[in-house]
Amino acid sequence: DAGITQSPRHKVTETGTPVTLRCHQTENHRYMYWYRQDPGHGLRLIHYSYGVKDTDKGEVSDGYSVSRSKTEDFLLTLESATSSQTSVYFCAIQTSGETQYFGPGTRLLVL
Amino acid sequence: SQQGEEDPQALSIQEGENATMNCSYKTSINNLQWYRQNSGRGLVHLILIRSNEREKHSGRLRVTLDTSKKSSSLLITASRAADTASYFCATVVNTGTASKLTFGTGTRLQVTL
Repeated sequence: DAGITQSPRHKVTETGTPVTLRCHQTENHRYMYWYRQDPGHGLRLIHYSYGVKDTDKGEVSDGYSVSRSKTEDFLLTLESATSSQTSVYFCAIQTSGETQYFGPGTRLLVL
Repeated sequence: SQQGEEDPQALSIQEGENATMNCSYKTSINNLQWYRQNSGRGLVHLILIRSNEREKHSGRLRVTLDTSKKSSSLLITASRAADTASYFCATVVNTGTASKLTFGTGTRLQVTL
């Protein structure tokens, strides 16, 4: 699993509440990514980071923000959760060989 | 928008048979990767093929890439029940800051005994 953990693994929240998901890596890789996976859409890139405090938007970034204050942690925040953000969220790190390694995922349900 | 589109969406075969999955994409790429996902788990990298390569092997996996047709195929030979999973292709474009992967919607493979 390339030393990637995600927390929490499951979360139920209500519409309008802020939610923060954490991705932690133990191998000091520079590049980290957040994806969401929904039926019929495959994985879609939300945000990515190419270093501490260096982040950029992906394909579906509206309603999400990220922060990376340390190499090992990449946080994804839903500012005000909506039902459309119910999904499975995956974090990934990228090695020098351009391969990405994925965390176990976080299942988020927004009621 | 989706860059890679897999075909078929679902495939059911018997153990020992070969399974072939196809991926088509729309724009120029740096490389193409295939991933596997078991139910309820994260994705696992299987193989990477660069844009200047035509074929690559890894164990029972064979990947081809035809950049003129913007398509790739993944062949799993002598399939096993343990190969049951969803398989995704991901096209990779290297930007100025990072490598961006765009995933297709996947092929669900069922291998029965």
